[in-house]
Amino acid sequence: GQQLNQSPQSMFIQEGEDVSMNCTSSSIFNTWLWYKQEPGEGPVLLIALYKAGELTSNGRLTAQFGITRKDSFLNISASIPSDVGIYFCAGHGGSGANSKLTFGKGITLSVRP
Amino acid sequence: GAVVSQHPSRVICKSGTSVKIECRSLDFQATTMFWYRQFPKQSLMLMATSNEGSKATYEQGVEKDKFLINHASLTLSTLTVTSAHPEDSSFYICSAFVLGGGSNQPQHFGDGTRLSIL
Repeated sequence: GQQLNQSPQSMFIQEGEDVSMNCTSSSIFNTWLWYKQEPGEGPVLLIALYKAGELTSNGRLTAQFGITRKDSFLNISASIPSDVGIYFCAGHGGSGANSKLTFGKGITLSVRP
Repeated sequence: GAVVSQHPSRVICKSGTSVKIECRSLDFQATTMFWYRQFPKQSLMLMATSNEGSKATYEQGVEKDKFLINHASLTLSTLTVTSAHPEDSSFYICSAFVLGGGSNQPQHFGDGTRLSIL
């Protein structure tokens, strides 16, 4: 089946630093999504990307939909302690009743004050 | 907007009990909702797609008689874990996307239900 690759599993940065996370796939997706999940909660949508090459920002977050439609990256600039959490990329494929999301394994981000 | 609510947030019960989890879209209609399961330190795994007014579509390896899904209205889907056993203990999360928003609209997630079977 389709798989999304996220690595490394964990990242440790200093407050104020920028961090970049990559997500790659063996398959093409129509939409790329980035979610953040905190302990005991559901994922919260950060950024949605709909077109190959699209670059979208949401505050300190910037994400791009790769030209090949098989990858995406998420940048967080000037990190703060509340950026701690698990960041999942997700690819959306299919349509209508076959529409579904495939998730990466997630990257756990730790921010040292 | 696009708020998805799950209830209960946590359940602890004895082995053999059946447990019902509700997923509601609070401020939008959703013909399709999704049920995921997440084990500790792992990603979300899609269990089934819940379609309003019709049968759910289950992913390979998910027992439909074990995980009963009912999507009786445009704002409510329920997942019933029947005769739950300790190996069913997990974090169950639902999601939905906005009706009429297009098939590529992002899914919005509930806050999850932590199920612990003793």
